[in-house]
Amino acid sequence: KQEVTQIPAALSVPEGENLVLNCSFTDSAIYNLQWFRQDPGKGLTSLLLIQSSQREQTSGRLNASLDKSSGRSTLYIAASQPGDSATYLCAVMGGATNKLIFGTGTLLAVQP
Amino acid sequence: SAVISQKPSRDICQRGTSLTIQCQVDSQVTMMFWYRQQPGQSLTLIATANQGSEATYESGFVIDKFPISRPNLTFSTLTVSNMSPEDSSIYLCSAEGGGGGGELFFGEGSRLTVL
Repeated sequence: KQEVTQIPAALSVPEGENLVLNCSFTDSAIYNLQWFRQDPGKGLTSLLLIQSSQREQTSGRLNASLDKSSGRSTLYIAASQPGDSATYLCAVMGGATNKLIFGTGTLLAVQP
Repeated sequence: SAVISQKPSRDICQRGTSLTIQCQVDSQVTMMFWYRQQPGQSLTLIATANQGSEATYESGFVIDKFPISRPNLTFSTLTVSNMSPEDSSIYLCSAEGGGGGGELFFGEGSRLTVL
């Protein structure tokens, strides 16, 4: 059974810092991995999608990497801003289904 | 991408009542998914809804408690039946975007509080 873990559970950084969020999964037979952002009381916003054959994806200040063999992904946020404050979730889609299994999330606070 | 609209966005309900949540997608999609997010928790898949067939429920979720309809390729409903305070959660609808690759998009969620 696939399990997804995110470290750290919470992170507070000053504005302008570069930071890394970590995601690990137990079953490497994945179809893709997605990073989402969730603002308090809101739905999910898709940030980046990495297919199992890819190593990384970039969008603006965000860069996500995938190492399928070791069951790890990282989300790198450059030059953090207070507007980046949110919960970041990673989720993996299994190879045989379209189901997303979510991690526990990292609550990020960027201090002005 | 896919734009997904849910309603209600939030509601306060009395114990023992039922509430139906609606989900509308701006394009035709094969599968729609319903998730639950309990307070302080991550998302858990309730069921997968295919048009023209019964929904497929995950372990721990049953049709009597969470009946789902999928009348066409752009719409689905989730009913939370005979609610108790433990059902207080955010319920989210999801569907795959048209670009392929398995990217899922989510609605804004429906926050239910059961008194």
